[in-house]
Amino acid sequence: GAGVSQSPSNKVTEKGKDVELRCDPISGHTALYWYRQSLGQGLEFLIYFQGNSAPDKSGLPSDRFSAERTGGSVSTLTIQRTQQEDSAVYLCASSLERLSSYEQYFGPGTRLTVT
Amino acid sequence: ILNVEQSPQSLHVQEGDSTNFTCSFPSSNFYALHWYRWETAKSPEALFVMTLNGDEKKKGRISATLNTKEGYSYLYIKGSQPEDSATYLCALNTGTASKLTFGTGTRLQVTL
Repeated sequence: GAGVSQSPSNKVTEKGKDVELRCDPISGHTALYWYRQSLGQGLEFLIYFQGNSAPDKSGLPSDRFSAERTGGSVSTLTIQRTQQEDSAVYLCASSLERLSSYEQYFGPGTRLTVT
Repeated sequence: ILNVEQSPQSLHVQEGDSTNFTCSFPSSNFYALHWYRWETAKSPEALFVMTLNGDEKKKGRISATLNTKEGYSYLYIKGSQPEDSATYLCALNTGTASKLTFGTGTRLQVTL
């Protein structure tokens, strides 16, 4: 079956512009996560959605970052007024259940470069 | 702030060598430990999810052990092959939320 998909795969943007990154989770997965990996850093949690519950936004680095998940499926991560330090690979993952013992299935990522 | 550490940072072995990596984590509030393999230009792939102290899991030539009391997990690769070349990530979940806290990974390169 189809895995997690993300678009675009690469995005180059000028400092100060807004960007939107999209994630299509695996059908039927109720939990969706966004992570990012900056150069030389580990994967960093950004935000987590589970069903109709309020999202866990504790990992968002600033108020320039926001995310939504429409209809419990597709999610969009928006970065406003991008800065060079936002350059990273942004990964989306989904899992079947909320329980942490369930595997998270990752998409291929979006490589964002802010010039 | 949770501190998940992996060592070594990178490793270069010959085909056929066996190798192992370490993941260290705070033993308090442990819920689950995940191992992922991340090949260049691909998605991270789940290897194991471990929850019980003393757990041992195996998938082909790769196996992992877990010690929750002392806060570490080992990943073993027996008879390394070039296709094993990847970054191996461990991630901790404390159960208070489903987010994972990742280590910085061990980059493995296997050459002929």
